[in-house]
Amino acid sequence: EAGVTQFPSHSVIEKGQTVTLRCDPISGHDNLYWYRRVMGKEIKFLLHFVKESKQDESGMPNNRFLAERTGGTYSTLKVQPAELEDSGVYFCASSWLSALGHNEQFFGPGTRLTVL
Amino acid sequence: DAKTTQPNSMESNEEEPVHLPCNHSTISGTDYIHWYRQLPSQGPEYVIHGLTSNVNNRMASLAIAEDRKSSTLILHRATLRDAAVYYCILFIGNEKLTFGTGTRLTIIP
Repeated sequence: EAGVTQFPSHSVIEKGQTVTLRCDPISGHDNLYWYRRVMGKEIKFLLHFVKESKQDESGMPNNRFLAERTGGTYSTLKVQPAELEDSGVYFCASSWLSALGHNEQFFGPGTRLTVL
Repeated sequence: DAKTTQPNSMESNEEEPVHLPCNHSTISGTDYIHWYRQLPSQGPEYVIHGLTSNVNNRMASLAIAEDRKSSTLILHRATLRDAAVYYCILFIGNEKLTFGTGTRLTIIP
C-alpha cells in the first residue's frame, strides 16, 4: 500500500512568490492534516480536513495560506505571497476516520520550503 | 491541550534496552497516550499507543502507570536505526497531534 506522498520534496522561491504544496493521502483516509516545522521550533499543526471539509484551521498562521481538498482526495497548500518566515518543512498526514478515536496518523516525508 | 514532559535527550548503547519516560499528570480519562518518532530527514512515524493497559507491538512496548500520570516507551534492543526524536502525545483521536520537544535518543555503537 502506498504511503502519504508529498510534492515537491524541496522548493526554493523568492520572497513574494507563490508556492503550492501537494499532498496525496493514503487511499480511503478521510482525515488529512497539515503540519509544519520552522527552523529550531516544534512541529506545529496547521489544519485538518475531514473529506473535503475543513474541520479545524486554527493553526493557519495568516491569510497568505490557503488549503484545499477538492473531492476529498489530495490536498494543496498554497502560500501567496511567501515570506521569509514561511521557510520550514511542511508535513502532511492522513488517517482513517474512526469512531473509537485513537487512530494513528501516517505522515508523508515533508516538503522543505526555503524562501529567499 | 494536555501537556507531556519528556527529557530533552537520552543516550543508550546499541543492543541494550531503552526506557523513554513521559509525564502527563493532567491526563484526562479520554486521552490516549501515543508515541511517535521522527528519524532524521523523515516525517514523524507512529510507534505505539495505549489507554490504560500495557501494550506491545513489533516496534516497542508501552508501560502505563496505574494512575495514568506517566508512561514509559520501551525499546527492547536498540539499534542504530532507532536514533530519532521520540514524542509522547496525549491524543483523543480524529484531531490534531500536539508535538512537544520530545526526547532525542542517541544510540552509541
